[in-house]
Amino acid sequence: NAGVTQTPKFRILKIGQSMTLQCAQDMNHNYMYWYRQDPGMGLKLIYYSVGAGITDKGEVPNGYNVSRSTTEDFPLRLELAAPSQTSVYFCASLGSGTQDYEQYFGPGTRLTVT
Amino acid sequence: GIQVEQSPPDLILQEGANSTLRCNFSDSVNNLQWFHQNPWGQLINLFYIPSGTKQNGRLSATTVATERYSLLYISSSQTTDSGVYFCAASATGTASKLTFGTGTRLQVTL
Repeated sequence: NAGVTQTPKFRILKIGQSMTLQCAQDMNHNYMYWYRQDPGMGLKLIYYSVGAGITDKGEVPNGYNVSRSTTEDFPLRLELAAPSQTSVYFCASLGSGTQDYEQYFGPGTRLTVT
Repeated sequence: GIQVEQSPPDLILQEGANSTLRCNFSDSVNNLQWFHQNPWGQLINLFYIPSGTKQNGRLSATTVATERYSLLYISSSQTTDSGVYFCAASATGTASKLTFGTGTRLQVTL
């Protein structure tokens, strides 16, 4: 299993541009999450999904959109990029239906908006 | 939502020393994880430990769920242990959304 994969690893955007951060998992996990980490800080939840077709906002959703058309994929869309979105973005997944609530994290995408 | 606090914020050790990092949380949890973020930004999952004690080599962790705290022990520290250690917890019944602490920055010197 590849686990949780994210692409791209690095990206530089100009203010106002748009992009999609890709996240995929091959563990058949129902729950998926997007977090962002600003310099010197802990991670904060942007959006999450409890299954295909179901998404909900986390703590810091402004400026982002998500979709979940399949169990495997959970892309994060940035529209009209702003310098405040410069951050490292982590995707995570979690299986459901068991008593194990461990989240598995991807390697992250480092995004700079200038 | 759940609050997660870590202490100390910074720690400097000489190689070979032992240390204890603490994580306090404000609610009943179904998940408590410890992570190590290395200087290259990679987030490494150390322990999934909502209760009890686990050990992995020189690292061990204990969570006392009834008293709402967790401890991470690092023994015989090495320079490769440097980085930031995060504790993250999710409250029971919240879709397992993790709340992260602000981390403990550890520097191990020769």
